[in-house]
Amino acid sequence: AQTVTQSQPEMSVQEAETVTLSCTYDTSESNYYLFWYKQPPSRQMILVIRQEAYKQQNATENRFSVNFQKAAKSFSLKISDSQLGDTAMYFCAFMSIGGNTPLVFGKGTRLSVIA
Amino acid sequence: KAGVTQTPRYLIKTRGQQVTLSCSPISGHRSVSWYQQTPGQGLQFLFEYFSETQRNKGNFPGRFSGRQFSNSRSEMNVSTLELGDSALYLCASSSLAGPTTDTQYFGPGTRLTVL
Repeated sequence: AQTVTQSQPEMSVQEAETVTLSCTYDTSESNYYLFWYKQPPSRQMILVIRQEAYKQQNATENRFSVNFQKAAKSFSLKISDSQLGDTAMYFCAFMSIGGNTPLVFGKGTRLSVIA
Repeated sequence: KAGVTQTPRYLIKTRGQQVTLSCSPISGHRSVSWYQQTPGQGLQFLFEYFSETQRNKGNFPGRFSGRQFSNSRSEMNVSTLELGDSALYLCASSSLAGPTTDTQYFGPGTRLTVL
């Protein structure tokens, strides 16, 4: 079974600074997706970024980028120019491609952006 | 396109009662998944429906059931409620076509409190 580990329960960053959230996962599969979701105090789960394992290029979405290290099974999220609205729980998630498998989530990292 | 909608947003029930939660996916999405989120267990997969058929099921007791209608709307039912069923129930839809799955987009959740 796949597992996802987020080793940082809480982090904080100053507004406009850069922060990196860590995620490692364990799988024997070679083809899968990795995601970062954000859950602000409203509790709405919002997709931040997606990475396909077969792509070597790291995904980017505006101020959000990932560092995907397939051999190391590592998938970190970098947030540049942090904004107060980035304050949220961030979940790393794994999904196999094929086989109708669900998302497997990490425990989350609570990020606070400080003015 | 409108996002995933869930009703009701909040529910308070007492032990032994039953409850039905509803989820309307993004227009054109045919897959609906349900997750339970609690502080202790994190995000756990309940089940997934595609074309009115349950394709995958998590490790939850039979008191948890669901169904999907021809318009892709889904409901989940919890019978004989227990205090431990208090949680945020999240619904997610994806636009897959075929046997594999794709990025899941979440609704705002239903907060269930069991007294």
